Amino acid sequence: DTAVSQTPKYLVTQMGNDKSIKCEQNLGHDTMYWYKQDSKKFLKIMFSYNNKELIINETVPNRFSPKSPDKAHLNLHINSLELGDSAVYFCASSQRGYTLMGYTFGSGTRLTVV
Amino acid sequence: GENVGLHLPTLSVQEGDNSIINCAYSNSASDYFIWYKQESGKGPQFIIDIRSNMDKRQGQRVTVLLNKTVKHLSLQIAATQPGDSAVYFCAENMRGNKLVFGAGTILRVKS
Repeated sequence: DTAVSQTPKYLVTQMGNDKSIKCEQNLGHDTMYWYKQDSKKFLKIMFSYNNKELIINETVPNRFSPKSPDKAHLNLHINSLELGDSAVYFCASSQRGYTLMGYTFGSGTRLTVV
Repeated sequence: GENVGLHLPTLSVQEGDNSIINCAYSNSASDYFIWYKQESGKGPQFIIDIRSNMDKRQGQRVTVLLNKTVKHLSLQIAATQPGDSAVYFCAENMRGNKLVFGAGTILRVKS
């Protein structure tokens, strides 16, 4: 059983397109996150949702819109894709207030904008 | 390999030797620290954690040391194996349950 699963694993798309990445966790956690990993492997938090409520919104272009239909799902929609959006996007989950074992990460979605 | 040209700090060790990976963190108010391992094509994977009220924690083959005076973390891996080759990240838990990652260190194990 995959604890945090993301789809798709690879996404190649043209500039200007709109795309979505989906994430689901079956750990019963109440908090989910999106992280972006750039070409230098630097991992930066983008968003965090707790029980469907946005709690962290870092300085991210408003072309990025997270959506959490329920606490087990957090999707990321990106409008008007740009070359600089190319990166690996990781979804993660945790139980808020219980930081033991940190976050559980998915295996990532490699987005390539051409 | 995937990490060629990354310009991250790189530690090369001989199989069987001990490895020490270092990390400086930024926020003296951070209360919880985690080491993650990221293998090629995978997400970060939890290795070991430590709370700010401790200065040492041991796991299986791994030890984390925390020096709050100089805001420094280290990860010690005993008897390093080829399967330990990966990028290692330290992360600090900031207020608001936000996990902030350091820059990463590549560990290469030579057989």
